[in-house]
Amino acid sequence: DTGVSQNPRHKITKRGQNVTFRCDPISEHNRLYWYRQTLGQGPEFLTYFQNEAQLEKSRLLSDRFSAERPKGSFSTLEIQRTEQGDSAMYLCASRKGGQNEKLFFGSGTQLSVL
Amino acid sequence: AQSVTQLDSQVPVFEEAPVELRCNYSSSVSVYLFWYVQYPNQGLQLLLKYLSGSTLVKGINGFEAEFNKSQTSFHLRKPSVHISDTAEYFCAVRSTGRRALTFGSGTRLQVQP
Repeated sequence: DTGVSQNPRHKITKRGQNVTFRCDPISEHNRLYWYRQTLGQGPEFLTYFQNEAQLEKSRLLSDRFSAERPKGSFSTLEIQRTEQGDSAMYLCASRKGGQNEKLFFGSGTQLSVL
Repeated sequence: AQSVTQLDSQVPVFEEAPVELRCNYSSSVSVYLFWYVQYPNQGLQLLLKYLSGSTLVKGINGFEAEFNKSQTSFHLRKPSVHISDTAEYFCAVRSTGRRALTFGSGTRLQVQP
């Protein structure tokens, strides 16, 4: 497999701007997750898709955050009106359904809000 | 609710010494348990997992972990570490009925020559 691909690798933006990240999961994986990781912490769950359906959202996900997965393929995560507290590494992960339970992570998008 | 505690934020160890990284979890239902590793400048990758069956699970690179239900622990061990094992290690839990993993805050393993 080609792995989980995330773009861009780095994003620097000014406070108040909107940003969008893209995740391309492994092609046969129908489950897709977004996580956020800050320095010295483990990944925190943001949202989960099964195919194109967004089935779960964390309470961490304020209404400034929105995620989509049209046609159950790639996914986008948009943050509107960015704040300095949004600065973090945004991770995407995918896996097959069933009992395998092995998550494959992308390398992440590092967001810096100035 | 599910949660994970990794008590040690950093573990320095000499090469070829044994190591144990501690993980305790909290959940009111059955759990699946995982260890993920993050090497410098790389993405997270699965080291090993416990889903059911034998409580001693073996993973890649010579690591193993033991599920202890009574102590709600899933400690990671390796009998002899290498310089290349230097990385951040994350314990994670998924309770039955939940869709996503909850990760601990990580333990940085620093292997010294």
